[in-house]
Amino acid sequence: ELKVEQNPLFLSMQEGKNYTIYCNYSTTSDRLYWYRQDPGKSLESLFVLLSNGAVKQEGRLMASLDTKARLSTLHITAAVHDLSATYFCAVDQAGNTPLVFGKGTRLSVIA
Amino acid sequence: NAGVTQTPKFRVLKTGQSMTLLCAQDMNHEYMYWYRQDPGMGLRLIHYSVGEGTTAKGEVPDGYNVSRLKKQNFLLGLESAAPSQTSVYFCASRIGTGNTEAFFGQGTRLTVV
Repeated sequence: ELKVEQNPLFLSMQEGKNYTIYCNYSTTSDRLYWYRQDPGKSLESLFVLLSNGAVKQEGRLMASLDTKARLSTLHITAAVHDLSATYFCAVDQAGNTPLVFGKGTRLSVIA
Repeated sequence: NAGVTQTPKFRVLKTGQSMTLLCAQDMNHEYMYWYRQDPGMGLRLIHYSVGEGTTAKGEVPDGYNVSRLKKQNFLLGLESAAPSQTSVYFCASRIGTGNTEAFFGQGTRLTVV
């Protein structure tokens, strides 16, 4: 059974600092997705990582995938208040399998 | 382009009542999903469909039924609502094969009293 774990679950960061969110998963997969959710809103796709070593960047966020370690990271560079949100990673496997989500990391960026 | 649309956005039910949540997508996607989101639990899959006329159980299917009579619609039914079904429900869809992200509706906030 595929399980996805994120840590930390809560993160309070100062503006301007760097930090990393980790996403571990339990079974072989080379497909991982990152989403953002603002309070009371829906989920918005951030990154799709489809191979070992994949790296994608958008603004102050950079995501990477290590399929051998079954680990993805979401790195935040020089955090700003607008990045405050909950970030989810999700994994699926080959075939018709649905996305399995982690519990999310609630990020709060403070001045 | 509306994407994924859920109806209704909010609902309050009494214990034992029934209701149907509607999810409609206009992207010609094959796969559709129903998730529920509870504090501290992330998103948990209720049921999903890989094509018109097909449905499958997810992680937490008890107390729910689904139907996919038309490709663009995926209905989630609660036959006899219970307070434990108080949650935010999200519908999602994606193209068909894997390797693509899912697109989410705006959510339905359901309270069962």
